[in-house]
Order: sequence, then structure tokens, then C-alpha cells
Amino acid sequence: GAVVSQHPSRVICKSGTSVKIECRSLDFQATTMFWYRQFPKKSLMLMATSNEGSKATYEQGVEKDKFLINHASLTLSTLTVTSAHPEDSSFYICSATGGKAEAFFGQGTRLTVV
Amino acid sequence: GENVEQHPSTLSVQEGDSAVIKCTYSDSASNYFPWYKQELGKRPQLIIDIRSNVGEKKDQRIAVTLNKTAKHFSLHITETQPEDSAVYFCAASMYSSASKIIFGSGTRLSIRP
Repeated sequence: GAVVSQHPSRVICKSGTSVKIECRSLDFQATTMFWYRQFPKKSLMLMATSNEGSKATYEQGVEKDKFLINHASLTLSTLTVTSAHPEDSSFYICSATGGKAEAFFGQGTRLTVV
Repeated sequence: GENVEQHPSTLSVQEGDSAVIKCTYSDSASNYFPWYKQELGKRPQLIIDIRSNVGEKKDQRIAVTLNKTAKHFSLHITETQPEDSAVYFCAASMYSSASKIIFGSGTRLSIRP
């Protein structure tokens, strides 16, 4: 299958700072990327859908000013958690598609806000 | 929007026995149903998928069935092995476009030796 790389895999940041997470499709052009949040022992909760060159579509209840998503190229999308607080600590994971429904996942980023 | 329900939340089976996980979906426009396996701390891995133009698909020990009328789909794992222990997620989407994939709540499958 296609390869999606997410970086960093783990990050610890201080409360009030911002953290950027990158999601790259390595061997295909990702027309659409999705960002999910996963709490321990829970399912993947879709946060937003991003299409290259356009604004992200956020799911209900997700603060767009808190979770900034940029999809500047067909191989890169970024999620920036702004002014992070301990309740933002979670496992964030991206997935990418090349125009069809098969989605390939990044390895995830475990964010800890202290 | 789409809502996917998954049962059971936990499942323990004897090694060699079969495991069945069931899901229902709400949006009749959904036509693509992937199943993912996620090991602790790792990314979900696609293990099998089915489109709505077929009722069943099989890949070695894994099979998926789909009942469009009832909006039900199920995952069947036969001859279970210890390495099958993981969390399994069903999902629903639309195949014809890069539509968002909505996940079920997950099933933690444990294989007893």
C-alpha cells in the first residue's frame, strides 16, 4: 500500500505553546487528508478534512482556531495545535487518499501537554 | 451525517475458534466499508474492505459480509491466532470520492491460547 509518514511521533510541550504535526504522503499525491484524534481505548474521532489548496472542513465541535490545518501541497498537510493545554493531550493521526476512498494512515503523534 | 455502530466492544475467543464483529451504518449513500486492525500505539492497518456492489468478500482467514438493505456489515475471522489480538474498527464511506471515513467504536479482540 501507499506510505504516509507523520512527524513527530511523540512530542511534549509546555502549556500555552503551539505544536505543529506534519503528515506527508511519500509515494502518491494526496488530494485529501484527514486528521483524527484518538483518546485511550477509544475510536478515531474525525477532526477535519483538508483538500490541497483550500480551507479545511472541520467537524462539529472542533475549534478551527485551536487546530489549524494547512494542506499546502499534494504531499503535505500540517496540524498546528495552538496554545496547547493539558486537555489537548492525545494521539493525533492523519490519513491520506489519492482520490478514492482507500485511506492510508500515518503512524500517529502522541502529544503530551505539561 | 453518517453514524457507525459496532458490537461487541470486547471479544475473547479461544485460539482456533472464529470471531465475528458486527456493524451497522445509518447513511444509505455509504458504499464503501473498510475494516482496520490497530495494535497498541500503532496506526490502523486496512485488513479488508467491501464495496456495496458485492455481498461478501474473502481473503484467506478473513471475510466480510454486507447487507445493504439492513445496513449491516460484519467481519469474520476464522481459525484465530494469537497475532489476531488487536482492536478492530469498522468504517463507512463513499468510494466514488475522497469522502471522510467514519469509524465505529472499535472491538478489542483477545485470543486465548
